[in-house]
Amino acid sequence: EVQLVESGGGLVQPGGSLRLSCAASGFTFSTYSMNWVRQAPGKGLEWLSFISSSGSAIYYADSVKGRFVISRDNANNSLYLQMSSLRAEDTAVYYCARMKLRSGELSSPDYWGQGTLVTVSS
Amino acid sequence: DIQMTQSPSSVSASVGDRVTITCRASRDFSSWLAWYQQKPGKAPKLLIYAASSLQSGVPSRFSGSGSGTDFTLTISSLQPEDFATYYCQQADSFPLTFGQGTKVEIK
Repeated sequence: EVQLVESGGGLVQPGGSLRLSCAASGFTFSTYSMNWVRQAPGKGLEWLSFISSSGSAIYYADSVKGRFVISRDNANNSLYLQMSSLRAEDTAVYYCARMKLRSGELSSPDYWGQGTLVTVSS
Repeated sequence: DIQMTQSPSSVSASVGDRVTITCRASRDFSSWLAWYQQKPGKAPKLLIYAASSLQSGVPSRFSGSGSGTDFTLTISSLQPEDFATYYCQQADSFPLTFGQGTKVEIK
């Protein structure tokens, strides 16, 4: 069974930093590209970042470019999101999501974790 | 960036009704469009990918169609467990973008 479990969320002050982790199991993690997607309270879904299976290709949404860094550790089946210069508008539930396999082309997330809440407030 | 616009924003329907949700893209793109269902406090669930392919385990009352800029999700006979918010998402290019969501409510 595919499982994605996020951790690392919490309350942080504006300007602060936080590192989210996502532990993957039930599939060959090193084969799949991964994403981070967030959802502000009462709002829709916002894609944040993508990392390819090897880590060689990385993309960010403009809203987090230069502040967030995605990375992965295939040996430990883990995905990370290092967040810095956090703002109130970064308050959201953060999901890690596996990208559906599709040879050589973009696809869509097919499995999602349960999410971890990040609250940016003084 | 490709903007995705869903309509309606909300719909009230009864069990057994046929429900159709539309997603329009700001420009023409390949047919890799996905539909998700999200219930309160839960992660999104993939229903449809590549515009019309049913994700494994998803009931056949869900179907998708469309190409170019206009896509549709249809629920042929609404069930109690289908009351949720639905999102479309394009995978033509980065940034991946979602529609704003359509809430399906009980009439």
